[in-house]
Amino acid sequence: DAGITQSPRYKITETGRQVTLMCHQTWSHSYMFWYRQDLGHGLRLIYYSAAADITDKGEVPDGYVVSRSKTENFPLTLESATRSQTSVYFCASSVYRGNTEAFFGQGTRLTVV
Amino acid sequence: GQQVMQIPQYQHVQEGEDFTTYCNSSTTLSNIQWYKQRPGGHPVFLIQLVKSGEVKKQKRLTFQFGEAKKNSSLHITATQTTDVGTYFCAGPVLNTNAGKSTFGDGTTLTVKP
Repeated sequence: DAGITQSPRYKITETGRQVTLMCHQTWSHSYMFWYRQDLGHGLRLIYYSAAADITDKGEVPDGYVVSRSKTENFPLTLESATRSQTSVYFCASSVYRGNTEAFFGQGTRLTVV
Repeated sequence: GQQVMQIPQYQHVQEGEDFTTYCNSSTTLSNIQWYKQRPGGHPVFLIQLVKSGEVKKQKRLTFQFGEAKKNSSLHITATQTTDVGTYFCAGPVLNTNAGKSTFGDGTTLTVKP
């Protein structure tokens, strides 16, 4: 029972590089989310997806791109990484039928140097 | 926009003392969820409250949803070192069927043995 998995768990990249964070879920949940977590800011929604090929912006989408060609995968790409994107990134999924309980992945700790 | 605020931001208690965190929304919520994040871990769903005035218990944890459905609280009786972590509340974003929630910034609990 893999649930929801993120890779890599840790990543160091240089300013200006493109980096992709992967998220895979085995439950066939319709909804998937990307959050970033910074000290003192809780969880802030970057992008979300209601189904394959349907994505939308969250609170802090600038500098990020997502895609969802398959229900189970929801990669997050930083097109040109900046130091302000150093953060812990969490992917989550949920089944929405009047229930917004979210299941989170283990997180990816990204450092941009 | 919709805001979910939590207080206090930090709470330090002696083992055995009680702990309460409060969550307040700027708008009426259809439901509210509570999550716990252990240090270095990912958020884990604890419970969802739906009805006005609802009270639910999980062992030493008591969750309440306000009558106006704009506030909620989590109370832990006789804290233990295993209760250490950050507790988040989250409420569905209004006027959307996207199944996404706004998270509070969390209350970080430390317990001194």
